[in-house]
Order: sequence, then structure tokens, then C-alpha cells
Amino acid sequence: QVQLKESGPGLVQPSQTLSLTCTVSGFSLTSYHVSWVRQPPGKGLEWMGVIWTGGSTAYNSLLKSRLSISRDTSKSQVFLKMNSLQTEDTATYYCARDHWERGFDYWGQGVMVTVSS
Amino acid sequence: DVVLTQTPVSLLISLGGQASISCRSSQSLVHSNGNTYLHWYLQKPGQSPQLLIYQVSNRFSGIPDRFSGSGSGTDFTLKISRVEPEDLGVYYCLQRTHNPRTFGGGTKLELK
Repeated sequence: QVQLKESGPGLVQPSQTLSLTCTVSGFSLTSYHVSWVRQPPGKGLEWMGVIWTGGSTAYNSLLKSRLSISRDTSKSQVFLKMNSLQTEDTATYYCARDHWERGFDYWGQGVMVTVSS
Repeated sequence: DVVLTQTPVSLLISLGGQASISCRSSQSLVHSNGNTYLHWYLQKPGQSPQLLIYQVSNRFSGIPDRFSGSGSGTDFTLKISRVEPEDLGVYYCLQRTHNPRTFGGGTKLELK
């Protein structure tokens, strides 16, 4: 069945770089896009960016200067890197399968990231 | 960017009652291909969001027919009939007609 699982550090220091991995199973990264979405504590959802089946990417313009999404199709993994982290980047980060017709149809469990010294 | 405005922000409903949530877009969500990419999600407490309805009115796999979506252009509605305890949580609309994808602010459904 379709599964996505995020992994990464729970704590990042201000000004440092966040690195997260999304490991997927049950589908191929060359057949489905994958998006990253984040949610600050007690707040709503924010789309961050997507990696398309062909490997190209698109980003939320608010994060574009700090964000990079890449993948390793042989390992079924999608990577998120965001630099210059600030306290307002504290959030739960989700990866989701991004289906052209159905939107984000499957989500990972999320990983909580706290930005603090 | 497209702004999605959800109303109400919170909703108190009795078990067995009906809930209605509105999602209004700052611009038309009709894609150039004629489809409307407006989807609905439910985030239960402590869980990831789950897809309920895609492209305005299509229920996702396993979603009961108590959930229904309607609307067109810029105005969309999610209706939940015969509310059950497992329906509680925050509902979000999402548009992916235009880039960037954007979410509504959410509507919290609570029991009266």
C-alpha cells in the first residue's frame, strides 16, 4: 500500500540548515509527484514545494530562496533542505503524494521540527 | 497567490446533525483544461490531514457518503450529514488549479 514516512532531526539551531527525508513505498517517484507541506503548532497548512515526476521542482515563492527539494529514485526518497532557519520555521513537516487529479491523496505521519538554541 | 477563505472558523454541531463549510476563492478555480482542482481534507486531532473530497465533489476511497462537496468557480461547500464523533477535527480546502497551491485557513468542527 502507499506509504510515506518523514525523518530528520527534531531540533535545529537558528540560522542552521534543516534536512528532512521522505521515504515512500507503494508507488514510484517517477510516476507521482511529491510535495512538502508544513504546519506551525496550532496553525494551518502551508504548501512548501513539489518535486515533479521528471525531477524538476516548484517552490512557494515565500520560501524559494531558502528551500531545495531533491530525490533519489533508486532509494524512493525525497529530500528537503531549508537554510537560515528561524524560530518561525518551527512546525510539523509533512510529505504527501501529489496526485494531479486528487491533490495530496496520501500523507506521511509528519515530523516535528523545533528551531531553538 | 489565490486566497481561500473558509467560513465559519469553528462549528458546534450535535451528533447526528448536519454541518456545512464554505470555501471561497479570490479567483476562479477552473483550470484551462476545464477541471476544477478544489479538494477537501480533514485533520483529526494529532493526525495528518486526510483527503475527503477531490475536484469539488468526488469522494476519495473509503470516505462515507455522509460527506458531499459542491460548488463551482469561486464558491464551494462541504456538507457533512449525520455527524459522528470521528468527524471531529479541522477541515481544510485546498486549491491546486493555480501555483502555488494554497490552503484555506481551516474550520474546526466540535461537538455541541
